[in-house]
Amino acid sequence: DGGITQSPKYLFRKEGQNVTLSCEQNLNHDAMYWYRQDPGQGLRLIYYSQIVNDFQKGDIAEGYSVSREKKESFPLTVTSAQKNPTAFYLCASSTPDRGLNNSPLHFGNGTRLTVT
Amino acid sequence: ILNVEQSPQSLHVQEGDSTNFTCSFPSSNFYALHWYRWETAKSPEALFVMTLNGDEKKKGRISATLNTKEGYSYLYIKGSQPEDSATYLCASPDTGTASKLTFGTGTRLQVTL
Repeated sequence: DGGITQSPKYLFRKEGQNVTLSCEQNLNHDAMYWYRQDPGQGLRLIYYSQIVNDFQKGDIAEGYSVSREKKESFPLTVTSAQKNPTAFYLCASSTPDRGLNNSPLHFGNGTRLTVT
Repeated sequence: ILNVEQSPQSLHVQEGDSTNFTCSFPSSNFYALHWYRWETAKSPEALFVMTLNGDEKKKGRISATLNTKEGYSYLYIKGSQPEDSATYLCASPDTGTASKLTFGTGTRLQVTL
């Protein structure tokens, strides 16, 4: 079955350490996204990529970095510069040829990151 | 950043009740309105993508309407069941390139027996 796989489900890190969250999709979607969820807030966009080797900052990109070397993969690195990294992170994909005017996002199951 | 708002924040109904909640968005430069259902321990699942004013979409007991002139969408659930318990999210593409979605904070629905 096609889908989006995020790993690990839970991640614990010490403050000051960089950590990379994995996101892999086999839906053959060109566009991929990283969202963050915090209690009482809507999903907020961190980074997105519409095509391999290209990505754009979302609304809260500070302290994060991404790469898009393969169509299937869009890893997110949470750096030590991110002031409040503890959150739930969701990866998503879509088909940009039809655009978000017609096509929904497909989501992974998320990674809960706790930094102490 | 697009302003997408949802109300109420949470809702508690009994099995068999029908319910509805609201998503409001800027009516200018509208592209589309998405609805998602997010059950606990699962990934958000797309329900509807709506684009036309007056549009109404249905999926089983769930339906949605869209008013782009006044900037709101309603989600209706007829005869709520415990399995409808979830957070319902709405989202709209940004007004520039329509390349990314801005989400509301969601309506958390709990259906009890």
